[in-house]
Amino acid sequence: DGGITQSPKYLFRKEGQNVTLSCEQNLNHDAMYWYRQDPGQGLRLIYYSQIVNDFQKGDIAEGYSVSREKKESFPLTVTSAQKNPTAFYLCASSRGQAVGNQPQHFGDGTRLSIL
Amino acid sequence: AQKVTQAQTEISVVEKEDVTLDCVYETRDTTYYLFWYKQPPSGELVFLIRRNSFDEQNEISGRYSWNFQKSTSSFNFTITASQVVDSAVYFCALSEAGGAGSYQLTFGKGTKLSVIP
Repeated sequence: DGGITQSPKYLFRKEGQNVTLSCEQNLNHDAMYWYRQDPGQGLRLIYYSQIVNDFQKGDIAEGYSVSREKKESFPLTVTSAQKNPTAFYLCASSRGQAVGNQPQHFGDGTRLSIL
Repeated sequence: AQKVTQAQTEISVVEKEDVTLDCVYETRDTTYYLFWYKQPPSGELVFLIRRNSFDEQNEISGRYSWNFQKSTSSFNFTITASQVVDSAVYFCALSEAGGAGSYQLTFGKGTKLSVIP
């Protein structure tokens, strides 16, 4: 089945540690996105990528980094510079580069907590 | 700047009742897209509907219906004869049609719907 796979489902980070969240899609979508969701809040955009080897900062990129070396993969690294990383992280993809033309499809999310 | 407001934080209804989830948006663009997503307890967001700003026709899909009113900048979502499986957090979202904003969705904070058997 086509879809978006995020792993792991739960992740724990120690102080000063970088952690990487995986996002893989087999939908042949060009665009991919990372969102952060805090309790009682909507989703906020961290980074997005319209095409391989290119990505743009979203509203809350500080303390995060991404890469897009392959069309199907868009990993997110939460660095030690992110002081409040506890949140639910959602990855999404869309066929077209403009969101309005194509709806975004989401993965099941990764819940990150601090040890 | 774009903004989406979902004033209802939580709603509880008894099964088979109708319920309307409100969404009010702000944008300076004349062309834009509006979305509704459902987030069940499992966490993933499920796409429900997309409307463009030029199409103000109401839409019905089974028990779901959407009322888009440009004059009041609202895009409300009604569930008829609610069921326990409708229990979820529902998000309204907005995207511009062109420029840098066309690559981003601006989400409301969501409305948590609980349907009580």
